[in-house]
Amino acid sequence: SQTIHQWPATLVQPVGSPLSLECTVEGTSNPNLYWYRQAAGRGLQLLFYSVGIGQISSEVPQNLSASRPQDRQFILSSKKLLLSDSGFYLCAWTTLDGNNEQFFGPGTRLTVL
Amino acid sequence: EDQVTQSPEALRLQEGESSSLNCSYTVSGLRGLFWYRQDPGKGPEFLFTLYSAGEEKEKERLKATLTKKESFLHITAPKPEDSATYLCAVQAAGTYKYIFGTGTRLKVLA
Repeated sequence: SQTIHQWPATLVQPVGSPLSLECTVEGTSNPNLYWYRQAAGRGLQLLFYSVGIGQISSEVPQNLSASRPQDRQFILSSKKLLLSDSGFYLCAWTTLDGNNEQFFGPGTRLTVL
Repeated sequence: EDQVTQSPEALRLQEGESSSLNCSYTVSGLRGLFWYRQDPGKGPEFLFTLYSAGEEKEKERLKATLTKKESFLHITAPKPEDSATYLCAVQAAGTYKYIFGTGTRLKVLA
């Protein structure tokens, strides 16, 4: 069966510090991968998605970036965090069987102080 | 522009009191409509996918239906453990993106 991992689970970082969040998927090959951010009481904002190794589509221009160095690994990064980067970051993958069902990881709670 | 609107924002029910959550959508060609359950501090949990108007799916006390403009998530005789935020999302044809609503926070009282 497929599983998706995210780490760390929680993170507290000062303004201006770098960021690296990692997501890995097990039990599937060549998944589509996604990064979302969820602010308190809000819906999911799509940040980046990838349909293959090295391919990244950005939805929201900001100080975040994403990379996909391996088929089942997706990384979210920042060189300098802003207060507004605080939130709940979710990684997701989708099936390629035509059903397009999307499955989420457990999330990373980021607090920027 | 593709858009998803969920109502109500919050709903309080007594245990056993059935109700429905609404998801209205505007999309240029629907590829799929998805329902999720999200517990506090956790990632959304997949519930249903609906692909075409008239389609229905059921899981325990939940039943999802779809028309050309909206979807309903019917909760029959809810229990306190059904308390969660329910999210709706759509995917337009020809795109890899999913558009999410802001969710309905459901609280079921014992």
